[in-house]
Amino acid sequence: DVKVTQSSRYLVKRTGEKVFLECVQDMDHENMFWYRQDPGLGLRLIYFSYDVKMKEKGDIPEGYSVSREKKERFSLILESASTNQTSMYLCASSLSDGTLAKNIQYFGAGTRLSVL
Amino acid sequence: EDQVTQSPEALRLQEGESSSLNCSYTVSGLRGLFWYRQDPGKGPEFLFTLYSAGEEKEKERLKATLTKKESFLHITAPKPEDSATYLCAAQPPQAGTALIFGKGTTLSVSS
Repeated sequence: DVKVTQSSRYLVKRTGEKVFLECVQDMDHENMFWYRQDPGLGLRLIYFSYDVKMKEKGDIPEGYSVSREKKERFSLILESASTNQTSMYLCASSLSDGTLAKNIQYFGAGTRLSVL
Repeated sequence: EDQVTQSPEALRLQEGESSSLNCSYTVSGLRGLFWYRQDPGKGPEFLFTLYSAGEEKEKERLKATLTKKESFLHITAPKPEDSATYLCAAQPPQAGTALIFGKGTTLSVSS
């Protein structure tokens, strides 16, 4: 089974702190994604990566950066956390864009981040 | 602009009361339509992929169908354990693009 592991289920941080959210997948997937999910707004794409050291901005990249130094690991960085970044963060991975079946995204359990 | 819209936002059913969830999309050249289930406090779990209009897929009490403009998730004789948020997502035709998600329908089934 595909496994996507997010390092923390719950995090509480102070405004202005630098926050790292880590995601690891064990299925050799090329693509990895970071979303945030808020009530009434659904899933919103922050960044995605289709290869090591490659990244693409999603719909809401402001205030975030990402790092992908190894294929299995994709990190989301909040350079200076703010209260409006309190949210559920979800990581996902998928195989490369070959056949459509490979576009299935597999999600981690999520990290609920509270910024106080 | 590519968009995915789900309705209703919330649906309450009695156990055994069948119904359908709707997912409308405006994505030219749709490559595929995905359905996910999400339980509270957890990540979405993959259910189905539909590739072309007319296609149907089933899993237990769930059946997903696809037309050229929308997809339906039919729930037959639901049970309380079917309570969850159901998400649909569209795959645009361009290679290397991310899925476009709808906001979801939250289903509550009471016994």
